[in-house]
Amino acid sequence: EAGVAQSPRYKIIEKRQSVAFWCNPISGHATLYWYQQILGQGPKLLIQFQNNGVVDDSQLPKDRFSAERLKGVDSTLKIQPAKLEDSAVYLCASSLVRVRLAGERDTQYFGPGTRLTVL
Amino acid sequence: DQQVKQNSPSLSVQEGRISILNCDYTNSMFDYFLWYKKYPAEGPTFLISISSIKDKNEDGRFTVFLNKSAKHLSLHIVPSQPGDSAVYFCAASERAQGAQKLVFGQGTRLTINP
Repeated sequence: EAGVAQSPRYKIIEKRQSVAFWCNPISGHATLYWYQQILGQGPKLLIQFQNNGVVDDSQLPKDRFSAERLKGVDSTLKIQPAKLEDSAVYLCASSLVRVRLAGERDTQYFGPGTRLTVL
Repeated sequence: DQQVKQNSPSLSVQEGRISILNCDYTNSMFDYFLWYKKYPAEGPTFLISISSIKDKNEDGRFTVFLNKSAKHLSLHIVPSQPGDSAVYFCAASERAQGAQKLVFGQGTRLTINP
């Protein structure tokens, strides 16, 4: 089974420029997540999609960040304009939503991430 | 407000010994806990999980213990192997319909010495 794919793997831009990241989740996974991981910290959820609808975007800086999920499959995350503090690894994850036994949850599978450096 | 905390940034253990990684949480609504392992330049990989209805879950060399009254969980790796050297993240989630929002700790870098 192919894993979560992300591109590009690395990106260097200057502040105030725009950048976009792409994610292709595991086939059949209805839920897609974007996380931001700043150096020395754990991943922080930015936005969560179920199919092509947004479930949670409470931690997305909407003045500069936007995300969409095309036809409920691939997703793009955009930053416009970028700031120095946006330097981080952007992780995409997906999970299969299904009925589970009490106390169980779906596992989130992560892609390799895109390392963004803003100069 | 750090709801999930891993207070040890790093841990060094000799090969063959037990590795114990700790995690504390503050949100009493968390009812599902996970450990992820991360190698450099890779995404986190799911390792083991535990529901709040249990106090222990075991999978091979990995065991997770949950102490709800103390809001504390730990991951035990026995015996530790060189390939276990990685960053380990503790994560927690609240009850949700199907999908879940994970809150991660800062991570602990585990180094297994030969």
